[in-house]
Amino acid sequence: DAMVIQNPRYQVTQFGKPVTLSCSQTLNHNVMYWYQQKSSQAPKLLFHYYDKDFNNEADTPDNFQSRRPNTSFCFLDIRSPGLGDAAMYLCATSRDPSSVDTQYFGPGTRLTVL
Amino acid sequence: GQQLNQSPQSMFIQEGEDVSMNCTSSSIFNTWLWYKQDPGEGPVLLIALYKAGELTSNGRLTAQFGITRKDSFLNISASIPSDVGIYFCAGLPLGGGSNYKLTFGKGTLLTVNP
Repeated sequence: DAMVIQNPRYQVTQFGKPVTLSCSQTLNHNVMYWYQQKSSQAPKLLFHYYDKDFNNEADTPDNFQSRRPNTSFCFLDIRSPGLGDAAMYLCATSRDPSSVDTQYFGPGTRLTVL
Repeated sequence: GQQLNQSPQSMFIQEGEDVSMNCTSSSIFNTWLWYKQDPGEGPVLLIALYKAGELTSNGRLTAQFGITRKDSFLNISASIPSDVGIYFCAGLPLGGGSNYKLTFGKGTLLTVNP
């Protein structure tokens, strides 16, 4: 009954080698979010899609990009991962931006950068 | 930007004890959410609060939306080992803030000794 699915759960990449993380949802929610969470810290919003509209956070580095080819899928691309990008990456969805109580998180992808 | 002060940062308790944690803000929040995050997983919504003074329960969990709209607390009664995890408060500022972006507290790490 998984509603927000993230693949892979664990990803290892090399310094500077592009990596793509995947998120899919079965909720038919309009909004999909990507958060970065470092150890012992709160999730930090990177960006979100409201339908096809991309909303970037002001402090999200250009190294991070996202694609949403359809309602169900959203991808996080890290163009040139640095050691500081090692973190848990969480995908979340919500029905619409104001319905924060419908914001469901996926299990996350743990990214390791060697 | 908005900030939430969550305390305590960590708690070590014996099974069966009650637990209380809280979040405070210098500004008014419209919605308060409480999440639990197990190790290696995404946050799971426990309780959502929408009105000042609202008191809501979910099993052994009880949360309240402060009268001033600047704070919220979460109580866990008769703790059990599976309550272990990190508890995050999150809030939506009055008026929705920037793109209805959730503000997260830094989390409370709960350890329950059997």
